[in-house]
Amino acid sequence: AQSVTQPDIHITVSEGASLELRCNYSYGATPYLFWYVQSPGQGLQLLLKYFSGDTLVQGIKGFEAEFKRSQSSFNLRKPSVHWSDAAEYFCAVGDAAGNKLTFGGGTRVLVKP
Amino acid sequence: AAGVIQSPRHLIKEKRETATLKCYPIPRHDTVYWYQQGPGQDPQFLISFYEKMQSDKGSIPDRFSAQQFSDYHSELNMSSLELGDSALYFCASSSGSHGELFFGEGSRLTVL
Repeated sequence: AQSVTQPDIHITVSEGASLELRCNYSYGATPYLFWYVQSPGQGLQLLLKYFSGDTLVQGIKGFEAEFKRSQSSFNLRKPSVHWSDAAEYFCAVGDAAGNKLTFGGGTRVLVKP
Repeated sequence: AAGVIQSPRHLIKEKRETATLKCYPIPRHDTVYWYQQGPGQDPQFLISFYEKMQSDKGSIPDRFSAQQFSDYHSELNMSSLELGDSALYFCASSSGSHGELFFGEGSRLTVL
């Protein structure tokens, strides 16, 4: 069975500082990996996805993620955070069809001025 | 661009009542998914439909049922509501396999 772990429940970062959110997955084959962002009371917006190919994936809003098979990780990064990046971030792994998603527990990001 | 439309956005019911949530996928998307997100929880997959047939089933209670209609919209029916059913219910749609899931803004159900 597939699973996703996001070790950090909360992260506080200063505006302009860099951000890295950790994600570890468990999946038997080549995983289909996603990062979603959720603002309070809002739906889930896809930031980026990895299916195959280049292990460094660029997404929207200046985010990127790196797939590391040896570490079973898919960490999300942003060089300089903005106050509008305050939200909850979910890492997810898709099934063989890449559709049914299993989400991690989420990481809530707080941005200090 | 058209997005996934969910209705109602908010719904308040009492225990043992019935609720129906509707989802209108993005035009030409053939697959619909339902997820449940409890307070402070991650979204949990409930059920999905491909071309109006159930394609996968997750942790959906027996009190819940869903279907996809000929116009591809989907409805999630929840009966004998319990306090623990209070959650944000997301619908998502996609086109084909490996297609990106586009999520609606969710329907917030509160059971009193």
